Amino acid sequence: GAVVSQHPSWVICKSGTSVKIECRSLDFQATTMFWYRQFPKQSLMLMATSNEGSKATYEQGVEKDKFLINHASLTLSTLTVTSAHPEDSSFYICSAKRVGLTTNEKLFFGSGTQLSVL
Amino acid sequence: GEDVEQSLFLSVREGDSSVINCTYTDSSSTYLYWYKQEPGAGLQLLTYIFSNMDMKQDQRLTVLLNKKDKHLSLRIADTQTGDSAIYFCAVPSGGYNKLIFGAGTRLAVHP
Repeated sequence: GAVVSQHPSWVICKSGTSVKIECRSLDFQATTMFWYRQFPKQSLMLMATSNEGSKATYEQGVEKDKFLINHASLTLSTLTVTSAHPEDSSFYICSAKRVGLTTNEKLFFGSGTQLSVL
Repeated sequence: GEDVEQSLFLSVREGDSSVINCTYTDSSSTYLYWYKQEPGAGLQLLTYIFSNMDMKQDQRLTVLLNKKDKHLSLRIADTQTGDSAIYFCAVPSGGYNKLIFGAGTRLAVHP
């Protein structure tokens, strides 16, 4: 089956630093990738939709200058948490939609990144 | 916008059946999904059902859809300890690009 690799799986950083999270589709092309945030014991909240070669679409309430998304190729999207603060600590998950399919039937998820900001 | 609700916790005995329920608000949803999340991991698509179906069975999994009541359920037969996880119901909203997740049901399986 299709594989989405997310890296790193966990990261600890100091407050004020920036952290980059990568999401790669390993064996398929993904024109669209999604970034979610999950707080402990809560659901996934969609942060933004990342489209290859164009600007990301952010959900209401998500600061685009805080969470920079780049989708430079059909297999890679990155999320950079800029000037991270403790309230940014969370579990971040990406998902990728296979090219050529119009439904979310073929939406594949990465294994997530646990970010802890000290 | 779309609202998806689930019960938060379910405890079952090993070998029994588990039934996880979900309600949603957007009647235009075409596919409805169940995902499984194990501790510290991403989401794994378990199964899905198309909105013109009432039931779908896939080995130990049975999905029931009551479109009139906007109610979706996932039944796991012969529940095993390996089924312990969080189960998310997810419904597309505003087109195919956006999935709205329920809060997740934590399934605990005990001997």
